[in-house]
Amino acid sequence: QKEVEQDPGPLSVPEGAIVSLNCTYSNSAFQYFMWYRQYSRKGPELLMYTYSSGNKEDGRFTAQVDKSSKYISLFIRDSQPSDSATYLCAMSASNFGNEKLTFGTGTRLTIIP
Amino acid sequence: DAGVTQSPTHLIKTRGQHVTLRCSPISGHKSVSWYQQVLGQGPQFIFQYYEKEERGRGNFPDRFSARQFPNYSSELNVNALLLGDSALYLCASSLGSRTGLDGGYTFGSGTRLTVV
Repeated sequence: QKEVEQDPGPLSVPEGAIVSLNCTYSNSAFQYFMWYRQYSRKGPELLMYTYSSGNKEDGRFTAQVDKSSKYISLFIRDSQPSDSATYLCAMSASNFGNEKLTFGTGTRLTIIP
Repeated sequence: DAGVTQSPTHLIKTRGQHVTLRCSPISGHKSVSWYQQVLGQGPQFIFQYYEKEERGRGNFPDRFSARQFPNYSSELNVNALLLGDSALYLCASSLGSRTGLDGGYTFGSGTRLTVV
C-alpha cells in the first residue's frame, strides 16, 4: 500500500465549476500537507501549505485537512482554463524545509472553456 | 531573482552509461533535494543535502549518488544507466530552516533523461 493515494484522473470540468481534488494517507507521522500544481514540462509549483486540521483559504483555492480521517482536499472555485494542470498532493513528517516530501500520483485536471 | 536552475534540460543516454545532472538553488537557500518523476507518477525522493551534508536518502540503488558544493549547488550522478532510469529529475531548494513555515520547497523545471 502506498503511503499517499491520489486518484490520477483525468478530470475534466467546465469553466467556472468548483473542482475537488483529494488524497488519503496512511502514515500518521505526516503533519505538514501541501498542494503543488505542475504544468506540462515544468517543475511542481507550491499552491497551498498547511499543518493543522481544518480549512485554509487563498484566493480561489481552499485546502482542507482532516487528520483523524487521514484525508486532505483541495477545492478550486471559479475554475479557469489556466488551472488546467496536474495537481500533486505532498506530505512531510516534520520541520518543513528540511524534510523529504512524499507525493501522491497527481491528478490531471482539464478545465473546458 | 533567478529560481532553481537545472542543466541540462534534456539528455539522451545509452544503457550502461553515466550521467551527471546539475542544480543551482535559489540564492540564500542552503538545502537541495533531488526527486525522480517517472511519467504519470508523482516525484520520488532521492537525496537531500543541507550545508553540504547528506541529510536523507530515498529508496534508490547505490548507482545514484549526489553531492553539494560550498556554493550550495549540487550534482546528481547516476552510473550504469538502465532503461527504467528514464524520468524527469527534479531539484528542489529551500532555506533549510528547522523552524518550519520557511517558504517551502521551490522546484526547478527538471532534467528530462531518456535512456535508450
